[in-house]
Amino acid sequence: DADVTQTPRNRITKTGKRIMLECSQTKGHDRMYWYRQDPGLGLRLIYYSFDVKDINKGEISDGYSVSRQAQAKFSLSLESAIPNQTALYFCATSDPGLADTGELFFGEGSRLTVL
Amino acid sequence: AQSVAQPEDQVNVAEGNPLTVKCTYSVSGNPYLFWYVQYPNRGLQFLLKYITGDNLVKGSYGFEAEFNKSQTSFHLKKPSALVSDSALYFCAVRDILSGNNRKLIWGLGTSLAVNP
Repeated sequence: DADVTQTPRNRITKTGKRIMLECSQTKGHDRMYWYRQDPGLGLRLIYYSFDVKDINKGEISDGYSVSRQAQAKFSLSLESAIPNQTALYFCATSDPGLADTGELFFGEGSRLTVL
Repeated sequence: AQSVAQPEDQVNVAEGNPLTVKCTYSVSGNPYLFWYVQYPNRGLQFLLKYITGDNLVKGSYGFEAEFNKSQTSFHLKKPSALVSDSALYFCAVRDILSGNNRKLIWGLGTSLAVNP
């Protein structure tokens, strides 16, 4: 089983619908991240959380919200999806630990299409 | 401003030939540098990192990267490319002076195609 699991893996929805992407991890890491990948734009950080009570906006948080339900779970919501939110979304984790190098562990991605 | 540049959108190489994927960076302090690989329809996987020490870093799948402080570069290399190395490669940097923020700054990615 994957250490970082994202659901759903693929989703097609319509403009205006509410969408939730879920991420769970078994790595025991405190830090979790949501990224968005678009062709030619690389990875852009949407939100990140350093622990259950710590949520921070990333580069492109407008139109998104998150919930850190537990150490192992970090959900991304689109309250009213729009077509330019069509993208590949990645959840990632990291372990601050004693050697906080910033190495990330990624899920397999959730491909969202908004029509 | 802190940034990472991958000057080539695509690199093509014949199987068995050496490959290089280029990365240059700009940060205010000493960098932590990373390479990640993304195979088709998969998430990103960590390949290697430079934190300190030897400028030549060895990583997974036979890849290595050389940190060059004077040229602010961290190019990814492999002596003999395999068709299975075909993937999207991302360079990333973290500025150790960025405090508790410590987010990674990502390049836009380089698509590597290894031809049989």
